[in-house]
Amino acid sequence: DTEVTQTPKHLVMGMTNKKSLKCEQHMGHRAMYWYKQKAKKPPELMFVYSYEKLSINESVPSRFSPECPNSSLLNLHLHALQPEDSALYLCASSQAGRKNTGELFFGEGSRLTVL
Amino acid sequence: DAKTTQPNSMESNEEEPVHLPCNHSTISGTDYIHWYRQLPSQGPEYVIHGLTSNVNNRMASLAIAEDRKSSTLILHRATLRDAAVYYCILRPYNNNDMRFGAGTRLTVKP
Repeated sequence: DTEVTQTPKHLVMGMTNKKSLKCEQHMGHRAMYWYKQKAKKPPELMFVYSYEKLSINESVPSRFSPECPNSSLLNLHLHALQPEDSALYLCASSQAGRKNTGELFFGEGSRLTVL
Repeated sequence: DAKTTQPNSMESNEEEPVHLPCNHSTISGTDYIHWYRQLPSQGPEYVIHGLTSNVNNRMASLAIAEDRKSSTLILHRATLRDAAVYYCILRPYNNNDMRFGAGTRLTVKP
């Protein structure tokens, strides 16, 4: 199983809503990533978890709150978002530490629209 | 931060080889060179990576300059399914820091 599963595929939310994006993998990977991608732009790194600990936080606004409850799951909690946060949110996983070859497996993304 | 420079776009004819260049003049000795591609409406997918020597796999070949300041991704026979944005990324050794540059949009003409 080389799949990274992201849910929901599409999400529309108001600026006062609280929602979450979920990501799951069963490849035994211990590094998981969140990227944000706007139309016609490259993915931008937001957060990286390594061994369930936050290892990279790219100065993302606090209205985005990541969580890694176990080695297979990664969540992105969303609260009080702005319309400019509308984007495709991509999750990825890889081996961690010395086993990391740099081969990331990506999900298909969750397309978020903030009204 | 080490950065990469790629042409914005390239065109190729179907069944012909494609050479996608990447400049990374500030690469450090322990940075790996990775290539990913992103097909329309999909997440990025890994293509190939290397450190110093040229590398081949079922998808492509990676040619790395002797001074490591540039590299070239080679698709031996482009197909219509190879139309995608191709990203060249430098990753520090033993590090999960994977940042995408602007990439090259490859168009394959029948």
